[in-house]
Amino acid sequence: TQLLEQSPQFLSIQEGENLTVYCNSSSVFSSLQWYRQEPGEGPVLLVTVVTGGEVKKLKRLTFQFGDARKDSSLHITAAQPGDTGLYLCAAEYGNKLVFGAGTILRVKS
Amino acid sequence: GAVVSQHPSWVICKSGTSVKIECRSLDFQATTMFWYRQFPKQSLMLMATSNEGSKATYEQGVEKDKFLINHASLTLSTLTVTSAHPEDSSFYICSARAGGRAYEQYFGPGTRLTVT
Repeated sequence: TQLLEQSPQFLSIQEGENLTVYCNSSSVFSSLQWYRQEPGEGPVLLVTVVTGGEVKKLKRLTFQFGDARKDSSLHITAAQPGDTGLYLCAAEYGNKLVFGAGTILRVKS
Repeated sequence: GAVVSQHPSWVICKSGTSVKIECRSLDFQATTMFWYRQFPKQSLMLMATSNEGSKATYEQGVEKDKFLINHASLTLSTLTVTSAHPEDSSFYICSARAGGRAYEQYFGPGTRLTVT
């Protein structure tokens, strides 16, 4: 059983559609991160959320941290082909980061 | 922002040979660096935590004698894959921790290793 359950695993949508990616756990975290990774590159940090109930916006991306700090979501509005990539949630676990399984997003034009 | 580099970006080696991958923090000092492995369309799996001046801490299931890690300075950690086999072919990513929290780490661009 993974510490972070990320869903869906794959998502293929048309340009302009909205989507939500979920990251759930039975554990409480002090912070949670979302990364985006393109093929052949390292992951790039999108956001860190630290407060229960926190909502952060990054252009068309909205990140939410659950009130109990056990789950998080990433919502993309009006997806564009440039949003295509692997989205990863991650959380601190001791002195390490643990990652969710990832969501492969493909936005078709 | 903090920059982490990796060298080489890709490498092809023959089975049975060893290959070294370097990870450098370019504009900050990192007492702790991490090495991850990633298979196609999968997430990052932590292999080991590298601490400057001390032995690396390996995750369960990672062979210490096969994946040698040396963190000789505050800006450089190396991963040597010894006696490489085709199943070692993967994308290896390092990160360097810039602050006191585990999430304050910056990732390198990765190294694609192909063992033939």
